[in-house]
Amino acid sequence: GESVGLHLPTLSVQEGDNSIINCAYSNSASDYFIWYKQESGKGPQFIIDIRSNMDKRQGQRVTVLLNKTVKHLSLQIAATQPGDSAVYFCAENRGERQLTFGSGTQLTVLP
Amino acid sequence: GAGVSQSPSNKVTEKGKDVELRCDPISGHTALYWYRQSLGQGLEFLIYFQGNSAPDKSGLPSDRFSAERTGGSVSTLTIQRTQQEDSAVYLCASSLQGLSGANVLTFGAGSRLTVL
Repeated sequence: GESVGLHLPTLSVQEGDNSIINCAYSNSASDYFIWYKQESGKGPQFIIDIRSNMDKRQGQRVTVLLNKTVKHLSLQIAATQPGDSAVYFCAENRGERQLTFGSGTQLTVLP
Repeated sequence: GAGVSQSPSNKVTEKGKDVELRCDPISGHTALYWYRQSLGQGLEFLIYFQGNSAPDKSGLPSDRFSAERTGGSVSTLTIQRTQQEDSAVYLCASSLQGLSGANVLTFGAGSRLTVL
């Protein structure tokens, strides 16, 4: 079946370094992608989204890159801070009424 | 309210009992979603409400699960005859129009259900 998956379940980075979290999707019909951040004990929080007609979108300290050729999505966090430690989920929408989420990547920021 | 409110935040129940989980979405949001998150896993879609349209129940795992949305606002997710595999965090989200309008889902903090 169709799925959204992540290459790595965990990622550790030094404080101040840049982080890159990857996501692979299998449905070429997906037209909308979102990254969510989930801190322990909290619900997922929207970070950034991108439509399939774009390759890149930037926010504050975050950038999402979309490569439709290889069905790959990445989230880049610049100058990673301790507060960035969380689980990051990518999610896709295929014109349906609900998002399909990946299993998440645990980002740990080391002092 | 300012955000999506869910209650209870934690619920421990015995196998076979029924539970009700409540979601109060952001005022004015017409779309409401329920997701389930098992430990260390991603989010599994359960059900979606949009305005007065018939809900999309395609994600409900069994007929023990049901949900209602009264007056286009508050929603209740009911799990009958709970099983241990129902243990999870149940997340509610709302959005202004639903994904067709590319509106962002805002999630509540979730209700953690533990079935003993």
